[in-house]
Amino acid sequence: AQTVTQSQPEMSVQEAETVTLSCTYDTSESDYYLFWYKQPPSRQMILVIRQEAYKQQNATENRFSVNFQKAAKSFSLKISDSQLGDAAMYFCAYRSAFMANAGGTSYGKLTFGQGTILTVHP
Amino acid sequence: DVKVTQSSRYLVKRTGEKVFLECVQDMDHENMFWYRQDPGLGLRLIYFSYDVKMKEKGDIPEGYSVSREKKERFSLILESASTNQTSMYLCASSWDRINQPQHFGDGTRLSIL
Repeated sequence: AQTVTQSQPEMSVQEAETVTLSCTYDTSESDYYLFWYKQPPSRQMILVIRQEAYKQQNATENRFSVNFQKAAKSFSLKISDSQLGDAAMYFCAYRSAFMANAGGTSYGKLTFGQGTILTVHP
Repeated sequence: DVKVTQSSRYLVKRTGEKVFLECVQDMDHENMFWYRQDPGLGLRLIYFSYDVKMKEKGDIPEGYSVSREKKERFSLILESASTNQTSMYLCASSWDRINQPQHFGDGTRLSIL
């Protein structure tokens, strides 16, 4: 079974600075997707960025970028020019690219990490 | 924009009650999911459905059941609520199972007294 680990329960950053959130995962599969979701105090989970494992190029979305290290099974999120609105809980998530895994049905289920609370100081 | 609506943001029930959590999506998505979110544990999948009347157990299905009579609606049922089911419950939907991201509702914070 796949596992996702976020080792930083809390992180903080000054406004306009850069912060990196860590995520590692464990899988025996070769093809999969990785996601970062943001959950602000309003509670709705919002997709921040997505990475396909077969792509070597790191995904970027405006101020958000990832450092995807497939061999190390690492998927960190970098937030540049941090803004007050970036304050939220951030979740890393894994999804198999296969319809069913060796253990039975996966059907694209997401496996989440524990989450990292990001505080942005003005 | 995709809209996933959960019927209640806050809910308080008593031990032993049968509890229904409702979720509706407006984008004709095939796949719908129920997660529970607990501090330090992230989100864990309870049940999912990939078609009407179809359901599959997730990682923590014990004490829960689901119903999907119509494509847009996916209900989570706590057959006999217990205090250890006090949690945040999140519903999600997606167009297909693999390539598309899941879209989430605002969550229901359920307290079982």
